[in-house]
Amino acid sequence: SQKIEQNSEALNIQEGKTATLTCNYTNYSPAYLQWYRQDPGRGPVFLLLIRENEKEKRKERLKVTFDTTLKQSLFHITASQPADSATYLCALDPPGSARQLTFGSGTQLTVLP
Amino acid sequence: DVKVTQSSRYLVKRTGEKVFLECVQDMDHENMFWYRQDPGLGLRLIYFSYDVKMKEKGDIPEGYSVSREKKERFSLILESASTNQTSMYLCASRHTGFAGELFFGEGSRLTVL
Repeated sequence: SQKIEQNSEALNIQEGKTATLTCNYTNYSPAYLQWYRQDPGRGPVFLLLIRENEKEKRKERLKVTFDTTLKQSLFHITASQPADSATYLCALDPPGSARQLTFGSGTQLTVLP
Repeated sequence: DVKVTQSSRYLVKRTGEKVFLECVQDMDHENMFWYRQDPGLGLRLIYFSYDVKMKEKGDIPEGYSVSREKKERFSLILESASTNQTSMYLCASRHTGFAGELFFGEGSRLTVL
């Protein structure tokens, strides 16, 4: 069955460094992949989308890559700040449905000052 | 400012009570979703609706029902609440069409005693 895994439940990095979060999926080839940010006690907020025919997407300090051979997406935050501390979720469209998304369990990022 | 509004941020109910969680969106979206979120398990889809009066089961529909009488409103119903339904419930909506982002509400944290 289809599975989405995010590399670790928690990641701590120093301010100013680049944070790299990983999303791996199995048994499926999604048409696109999305990344969301979630702050404690709040709903997730959309950040970026990358399509299967795109290798890389950038938005300000964020960069997402999508390797359909490795079945992996990497999410980078450059020049990280304490305000970037949050849980980051990856999501993709499951087989046979263009309407719903399946989410990974998330990686909690803490940027230390 | 586009919005998904969930009626209650925090609820405390007793086992066996009937619980209504309401969600309203102002973006004229066709698709609406109910997820629950638990530590370590991520977001899991309970039900979704792609049109008024239409509904489809998600991954964990047992113990829940839904109602969509108007396009902007999607209700989640727990007919007889149980302690294992203590969770954060998130409503979301999106347009029909390829790769649309999900817009989430702020969440409803339900505790069943």
